Amino acid sequence: QKEVEQDPGPLSVPEGAIVSLNCTYSNSAFQYFMWYRQYSRKGPELLMYTYSSGNKEDGRFTAQVDKSSKYISLFIRDSQPSDSATYLCAMSAGGSYIPTFGRGTSLIVHP
Amino acid sequence: EAEVAQSPRYKITEKSQAVAFWCDPISGHATLYWYRQILGQGPELLVQFQDESVVDDSQLPKDRFSAERLKGVDSTLKIQPAELGDSAMYLCASSFGPRDTDTQYFGPGTRLTVL
Repeated sequence: QKEVEQDPGPLSVPEGAIVSLNCTYSNSAFQYFMWYRQYSRKGPELLMYTYSSGNKEDGRFTAQVDKSSKYISLFIRDSQPSDSATYLCAMSAGGSYIPTFGRGTSLIVHP
Repeated sequence: EAEVAQSPRYKITEKSQAVAFWCDPISGHATLYWYRQILGQGPELLVQFQDESVVDDSQLPKDRFSAERLKGVDSTLKIQPAELGDSAMYLCASSFGPRDTDTQYFGPGTRLTVL
């Protein structure tokens, strides 16, 4: 079993939908949780960064961390076709910033 | 906006040949990372530099891979000889420092195909 599990999708939604992307993990030492967006043929771009448990909101994006369940989520409100990309979760245990990445979920937002 | 530069963007080679990838990090970033991303997977760290020193190369296949950052600025990753299983995206990232709160900025990657 991998340390970080993420459904690869693809997840296809209509424009304007609320999108929920999720990851589970097994390493209870993880404290830093990140979401990256990766467009085709591009490098990952950091979207959200959360330390420990709780919620964090940035515009249309909300990141949630539930350490008791070892489960993290990214919600995208009012999804747009430009949100179509692969979303990677990543997490690290602290001490040095070497994240463990999930395999990514492919999101397709159709007009 | 400053970006991490990588070249070439695409490389096709035959197995047993040597290949080299170049990365120029964001100016002022002391920490540089090379990752390998196999299609459909997340990036996996190959090597981490702090200035010109290697901090972590535990996942670097040292029999065929080498990496250097001689003056603590740009970096080169080499594979010799390339094998079919090396086909992947090679990503370079840089950050101001090695702490968890130092955001990593990724370059566009080099897509390697080994025939």
